[in-house]
Amino acid sequence: QVTLRESGPALVKPTQTLTLTCTFSGFSLSTSGMCVSWIRQPPGKALEWLALIDWDDDKYYSTSLKTRLTISKDTSKNQVVLTMTNMDPVDTATYYCARSSTGSYYSHYFDYWGQGTLVTVSS
Amino acid sequence: QSVLTQPPSVSGAPGQRVTISCTGSSSNIGAGYDVHWYQQLPGTAPKLLIYGNSNRPSGVPDRFSGSKSGTSASLAITGLQAEDEADYYCQSYDSSLSGPLWVFGGGTKLTVL
Repeated sequence: QVTLRESGPALVKPTQTLTLTCTFSGFSLSTSGMCVSWIRQPPGKALEWLALIDWDDDKYYSTSLKTRLTISKDTSKNQVVLTMTNMDPVDTATYYCARSSTGSYYSHYFDYWGQGTLVTVSS
Repeated sequence: QSVLTQPPSVSGAPGQRVTISCTGSSSNIGAGYDVHWYQQLPGTAPKLLIYGNSNRPSGVPDRFSGSKSGTSASLAITGLQAEDEADYYCQSYDSSLSGPLWVFGGGTKLTVL
């Protein structure tokens, strides 16, 4: 079955760089159509899509956060990594990775999600 | 401010029917892009509830249904049950260049009275 799991630091200081890893199983990111996204949710607030990487190594970023984000994949390890630079307390959130796999990007939906990892930004 | 607008809260008694609206614009729902819905139970990750406007993944009860018209979409829940108490989010694609590509609504908290 498909599973995803996020890992990374629970606490980062302002201005530091956050690195999160999504380790997945049950599918391969080398399969045509497969994609993994990062999505975050500040406490008590709504979901926000951050970045997506596809099987062909194409990458898409939220316009508002594009300058701070980098997404990459290691297909052999079944991992996707997100880095976010210059962390700020407003970036405190639960960070999720999620799979999507439709043929058209316009129709993308997230069918499997990790459990999420809470990242707190504080000095 | 979310690109897709949802009511902050809705409520209903057990057995009743409730609907949750999701209003977008000409750069997302109105452009013909599909709408998807997620259910987030307290303290858990979101779960796909409806995809492609009106399709239910395997295992989702047929009490849940989705529809789309113009620049809006709706999620309907019939035969409301206590276990339906959760946050619900709509999601679509947005083609404007001023924001993210895949967008969510602000979420709606469903309370079962």
